Amino acid sequence: QVQLQESGPGLVKPSETLSLTCTVSGGSMSGYYWTWIRQPPGKGLEWIGYIYDGAGINYNPSLRSRVTISLDTSKNQFSLRLSSVTPADTAVYHCARDLLHGDFYYGMDVWGPGTTVTVSS
Amino acid sequence: ESVLTQSPATLSLSPGERATLSCRASQSVSSYLAWYQQKPGQAPRLLIYAASNRATGIPARFSGSGSGTDFTLTISSLEPEDSAVYYCQQRSNWLTFGGGTKVEIK
Repeated sequence: QVQLQESGPGLVKPSETLSLTCTVSGGSMSGYYWTWIRQPPGKGLEWIGYIYDGAGINYNPSLRSRVTISLDTSKNQFSLRLSSVTPADTAVYHCARDLLHGDFYYGMDVWGPGTTVTVSS
Repeated sequence: ESVLTQSPATLSLSPGERATLSCRASQSVSSYLAWYQQKPGQAPRLLIYAASNRATGIPARFSGSGSGTDFTLTISSLEPEDSAVYYCQQRSNWLTFGGGTKVEIK
């Protein structure tokens, strides 16, 4: 079955850029929205953005000026870059597979376990 | 952006009781709504998609209903392993999550 795994530095300094990669194994990347979500300690889930087949991208308006999501289907990976980070960006970052087909929404059915990123000097 | 408001914030019930969780959208999201269960230290798990369809492997005691702006997740008979935080999420207007309902089993 399809599995997702996040990877990247666990510690980032303030004002620097957070970079994470999600590796997709066991299935094709075609036809899905590949999504990043984060969860600050003790808080709820926040959508960061998604990319669809490399052509469609949408970001959370509150993060849009700092976020870039990219897709590399040859490596079965998609990536997140978040610039100018502050301690408020400290969170568990999850990648997930999302499916919206026509007028039917199938939800985010596969999630990575998450990776903790701490922003601190 | 559709804001999702979940209530109650916390629900404390005994095993075998019925749990009713509410999710209200600030504008219609049609049936573009999903529910997730999250246990401590784990990724969220998809329970319900398109408002009322159970995801693969989800027990029949979980059911979803509603459309437009008002949605409900019902757990018909609580099991101890149902202790978790439950989130609703919409996909009609961008993508947003509700604030979550924590279900505690007495």
